[in-house]
Amino acid sequence: KQEVTQIPAALSVPEGENLVLNCSFTDSAIYNLQWFRQDPGKGLTSLLLIQSSQREQTSGRLNASLDKSSGRSTLYIAASQPGDSATYLCAVKTYGGSQGNLIFGKGTKLSVKP
Amino acid sequence: SAVISQKPSRDICQRGTSLTIQCQVDSQVTMMFWYRQQPGQSLTLIATANQGSEATYESGFVIDKFPISRPNLTFSTLTVSNMSPEDSSIYLCSVEENRNTEAFFGQGTRLTVV
Repeated sequence: KQEVTQIPAALSVPEGENLVLNCSFTDSAIYNLQWFRQDPGKGLTSLLLIQSSQREQTSGRLNASLDKSSGRSTLYIAASQPGDSATYLCAVKTYGGSQGNLIFGKGTKLSVKP
Repeated sequence: SAVISQKPSRDICQRGTSLTIQCQVDSQVTMMFWYRQQPGQSLTLIATANQGSEATYESGFVIDKFPISRPNLTFSTLTVSNMSPEDSSIYLCSVEENRNTEAFFGQGTRLTVV
């Protein structure tokens, strides 16, 4: 059974700092991995999608890497800003079911202080 | 990317009653899903909403409690029936074009049962 773990559970940094969020998964048989952002009480905003054959994806100040063989992904945020404060969720698309299932980690709650 | 409109955004309901949540997408999509996010927890898949046929439910979720409709490729509803305080959660609609593409989420419905 696929399990997704995110470390740390919470992180507080000063504005301008570069930071790394970690995601690990137990079964390397995945279609893809996706990073999301969730603001309090809100839905999810997709940040980056990495296919199983890819090593990394970049969007603006965000860079996500994937090492499928070791079951790890990282989300790098450059020059953090207070507006980056949110919970970041990692999810892997598994081979389960007819269409594949998204399995989520519990998230990392990020606070960027001015 | 798909734009998803979810209604209502929040509601407070009496125990024993039912609430129907609507999910409208701005384009035709193949796959639609309903998730639950209990307080302090990550997302759990309730079911896959299949167009023109019965939904496919995950372990622990049943049709009598969470009936789902999907009359066409742009719309779905989830009903939370005979509610109890344990049903207090955020319910989210998600769409994907296929198993290899990005998942998009609605803004969620925050349900409180009193």
